[in-house]
Amino acid sequence: DTGVSQNPRHKITKRGQNVTFRCDPISEHNRLYWYRQTLGQGPEFLTYFQNEAQLEKSRLLSDRFSAERPKGSFSTLEIQRTEQGDSAMYLCAVLDRENTEAFFGQGTRLTVV
Amino acid sequence: TQLLEQSPQFLSIQEGENLTVYCNSSSVFSSLQWYRQEPGEGPVLLVTVVTGGEVKKLKRLTFQFGDARKDSSLHITAAQPGDTGLYLCAGAGPTDYKLSFGAGTTVTVRA
Repeated sequence: DTGVSQNPRHKITKRGQNVTFRCDPISEHNRLYWYRQTLGQGPEFLTYFQNEAQLEKSRLLSDRFSAERPKGSFSTLEIQRTEQGDSAMYLCAVLDRENTEAFFGQGTRLTVV
Repeated sequence: TQLLEQSPQFLSIQEGENLTVYCNSSSVFSSLQWYRQEPGEGPVLLVTVVTGGEVKKLKRLTFQFGDARKDSSLHITAAQPGDTGLYLCAGAGPTDYKLSFGAGTTVTVRA
């Protein structure tokens, strides 16, 4: 089962506040990815984990962003001092057991006002 | 910057018509995936193509991977309103399996 649950589904926050999103894969997956999607664009890679190790971070991931996967299962993405430009859909994805296909969660829609 | 170029950006057709969406890149990918996304939801995987020249059929959907593994197309026969959505192509890196997406084609099928 390659289901991925993301919470919350929607988040509205005031500029300058911190927010945290959570990604829960239903079963064990070695690799977990975070992407960001803005209106009219395809998703863009942010970072990924191999088990609990964060292997790569995109230049899109400024110092205000931090991601963790402490036990190699669920993952969190935190944004500090949010800006209006952070408004986007944040997507989590895992690879299937053969590491050939990526399956996405429903995403967290962030709106910074 | 999107590594994959999708065309057209928008497509509106009548129920029963056929349509084709294109995905082109200057890079070679180890595999290419097609997704459909509905508003407010995450992308849902439709198919993965791996071999150059490969053709895969999924009911009324036909996917082709170019011989050089740089381009792909999605053809829908006798489109239905349920086919409405954003169609995304994504190329996968060979080891990190990081996906590079196109900007997508928004397809609207009118009843």
